[in-house]
Amino acid sequence: DVKVTQSSRYLVKRTGEKVFLECVQDMDHENMFWYRQDPGLGLRLIYFSYDVKMKEKGDIPEGYSVSREKKERFSLILESASTNQTSMYLCATQGAAANYGYTFGSGTRLTVV
Amino acid sequence: AQSVAQPEDQVNVAEGNPLTVKCTYSVSGNPYLFWYVQYPNRGLQFLLKYITGDNLVKGSYGFEAEFNKSQTSFHLKKPSALVSDSALYFCAVRERTGRRALTFGSGTRLQVQP
Repeated sequence: DVKVTQSSRYLVKRTGEKVFLECVQDMDHENMFWYRQDPGLGLRLIYFSYDVKMKEKGDIPEGYSVSREKKERFSLILESASTNQTSMYLCATQGAAANYGYTFGSGTRLTVV
Repeated sequence: AQSVAQPEDQVNVAEGNPLTVKCTYSVSGNPYLFWYVQYPNRGLQFLLKYITGDNLVKGSYGFEAEFNKSQTSFHLKKPSALVSDSALYFCAVRERTGRRALTFGSGTRLQVQP
């Protein structure tokens, strides 16, 4: 089974800090995604990547950036954290085949104070 | 643009009764459809998906879903609910071509009472 590991389960940061959320997968999947989950809004796509050094904006990219220097690692960066970025962040991966399933990490609950 | 609607924030059902969690979608062309479940403080777990073929899809833990193209629906069902089924359920869709990312509904909380 694919394993998707998010480095932190809970994180508390101060407003204005630069925050890195890490996601590592062990199955050589091409596609990786970052979502944020908020009550009543479901999961919303922040950024995704189809390959190393490749990234595309999702539906809510403002205030975020990403980095994918190696195939197995996809990092989400909050350049200057704000309280409205307090949320649950979920990473997901998917293999190359179009009908391949998606596997999610356990999530990082970020609180910005 | 693609979208998913889960019209019920919460569904309450008694243990042993059948359950239905509703999902309708909007997408260009034929969709890929998914159901995921989330237990407290956990990531999303895959339940089932519709790719092609039989409109009735069977998945994990006794769940099934029926793809209805004319009604653009993909309702999740289970013949007999368990208390342990209580969780948050998400429906998701994506187009067969173009962006690979899933678009999710807002989620439905299922509460199964003993």
